[in-house]
Amino acid sequence: GDSVTQMEGPVTLSEEAFLTINCTYTATGYPSLFWYVQYPGEGLQLLLKATKADDKGSNKGFEATYRKETTSFHLEKGSVQVSDSAVYFCALSDPPTGANNLFFGTGTRLTVIP
Amino acid sequence: EAGVTQSPTHLIKTRGQQATLRCSPISGHTSVYWYQQALGLGLQFLLWYDEGEERNRGNFPPRFSGRQFPNYSSELNVNALELEDSALYLCANQDTLNTGELFFGEGSRLTVL
Repeated sequence: GDSVTQMEGPVTLSEEAFLTINCTYTATGYPSLFWYVQYPGEGLQLLLKATKADDKGSNKGFEATYRKETTSFHLEKGSVQVSDSAVYFCALSDPPTGANNLFFGTGTRLTVIP
Repeated sequence: EAGVTQSPTHLIKTRGQQATLRCSPISGHTSVYWYQQALGLGLQFLLWYDEGEERNRGNFPPRFSGRQFPNYSSELNVNALELEDSALYLCANQDTLNTGELFFGEGSRLTVL
């Protein structure tokens, strides 16, 4: 069955450090891939997405590339800020349309210290 | 356009009571998901409604139930509350026409004392 495996946290970084949060997936079809972010006390927000192989999703300085050959969708940011402190969830939707085939990773808590 | 809205924002109940949480979807979106997020844990899928019907439920006991109304808004009911039901309950719509992404509400935080 489909699944998402996400790097366990927590992750603590100093401001301006480089961030990588690993995410790998298994899927029977051709999923869409997502990163969601949850800031303290809030619901989840879509951070970025990619709908097909080799697509790169990007937003707010974060990037992730849909790698079909390695079944990965790692989240990266070159220079984190304190305001990036949040929980990050990798997710897939397979098939990408037609509901209910949604799988979330367990979340990775990022804390950025000044 | 308004996003997914949930109410109440916070709810405090005692063991054995019932809680009702509400979700108003984005206009025109028919598919509603409910997730439970207990403190420090990931999202646990609770229920999925589409076109007024329950389509699937997660691994939760029957005291977790809900419904979807003709205007596609939804309620989640939790009966016989237990302490471990304390969590953030998130409602989401899915874009079923394009990418499958979810649009989440801010959540309802339920505290059971």
